[in-house]
Amino acid sequence: GNSVTQMEGPVTLSEEAFLTINCTYTATGYPSLFWYVQYPGEGLQLLLKATKADDKGSNKGFEATYRKETTSFHLEKGSVQVSDSAVYFCALMGGNNRLAFGKGNQVVVIP
Amino acid sequence: KAGVTQTPRYLIKTRGQQVTLSCSPISGHRSVSWYQQTPGQGLQFLFEYFSETQRNKGNFPGRFSGRQFSNSRSEMNVSTLELGDSALYLCASSGMTGGGYNEQFFGPGTRLTVL
Repeated sequence: GNSVTQMEGPVTLSEEAFLTINCTYTATGYPSLFWYVQYPGEGLQLLLKATKADDKGSNKGFEATYRKETTSFHLEKGSVQVSDSAVYFCALMGGNNRLAFGKGNQVVVIP
Repeated sequence: KAGVTQTPRYLIKTRGQQVTLSCSPISGHRSVSWYQQTPGQGLQFLFEYFSETQRNKGNFPGRFSGRQFSNSRSEMNVSTLELGDSALYLCASSGMTGGGYNEQFFGPGTRLTVL
């Protein structure tokens, strides 16, 4: 079945540092890929998406490129802010309108 | 346009009881999906309803059930609650047309605690 793997553990970094969160996936066919963000006490917000190979999703300074050859969709941001502190989830959707999520990564940005 | 609303936001129940959670999708959206979020298992798909019919179902026991009404509002029910059912239950709606799929918009969730 479809599955998503995110790097283990929280990510702690200083303000203005470069952020990378790794995400790899296993899927049949050609899934769509997503990054969601969850702030404390809230639901999930879509951060960005890519629906086919080599697409780059971008939003609020975050970027991720759909790499079919490496089955990856790594999230990057060049200069993080304290307000970016949240939990980030990588997810995929096949043809059945059903999201499969990674475990999530807590990002803590220190001023 | 109003977002996805879920009620109640918090619930405390005891083992053996049953609970009903409600979700109102974005106006015009006909697909509603439910997910369970726990620290141990992460986010897991429960089921999806479209036009009052269950279209997809995840790997949860029969104690978890749902339904959708003609106005697209959805409810999920958990019977004979267990401690392990303590979780954040998230509802998502999408403007699915019946063939393809679209972005899912999530509600704030219902935090269920089973004592």
